[in-house]
Amino acid sequence: NAGVTQTPKFQVLKTGQSMTLQCAQDMNHEYMSWYRQDPGMGLRLIHYSVGAGITDQGEVPNGYNVSRSTTEDFPLRLLSAAPSQTSVYFCASSYSGTSASDTQYFGPGTRLTVL
Amino acid sequence: QQQVKQSPQSLIVQKGGISIINCAYENTAFDYFPWYQQFPGKGPALLIAIRPDVSEKKEGRFTISFNKSAKQFSLHIMDSQPGDSATYFCAAGRGSTLGRLYFGRGTQLTVWP
Repeated sequence: NAGVTQTPKFQVLKTGQSMTLQCAQDMNHEYMSWYRQDPGMGLRLIHYSVGAGITDQGEVPNGYNVSRSTTEDFPLRLLSAAPSQTSVYFCASSYSGTSASDTQYFGPGTRLTVL
Repeated sequence: QQQVKQSPQSLIVQKGGISIINCAYENTAFDYFPWYQQFPGKGPALLIAIRPDVSEKKEGRFTISFNKSAKQFSLHIMDSQPGDSATYFCAAGRGSTLGRLYFGRGTQLTVWP
């Protein structure tokens, strides 16, 4: 059981470039989410998905696109990178949360720098 | 508008002491309140969580106290150890939609040996 995996671990982009951050989970979780973490700001939700084919916006969705064609994968796309998107990005997955033991499992993160 | 407010921003505690971190939330629809622990270079990991049907939950040295009327909850770390030094985040959300959590800004805890 690999849990939640993210690639790449580190990435440097130039302003205006595009890229896709990959996220995969092997726990058959319905829910998957993308967060960004900035110093002193905690984690802020970018987009989330409650199942294949269903996505919704979080607190800071601008500049990011997502799609979910399978239960396992939830890629995050930056169409035109900006320096303000320099951050650490975390993917997370969970069951629906109806059990007291349910929780979100986080991946190891992708550290992105936009020059 | 910040949904979850966390304090203090940083905390220094001597080994064996009690660490206390506080959080307050706005949305009365929230019914799931987890605490996450994060070490440098790692993703957050669930430490302990509570639902509003109880006022306190204890797991080992970690206790969550929950005050529904005040919309506040706190994490108490008893007998703090140097290995507890990490960043702690409180969060809140609806248990039926765990994919959508709102996080506090974090508390950096340092435990001196």
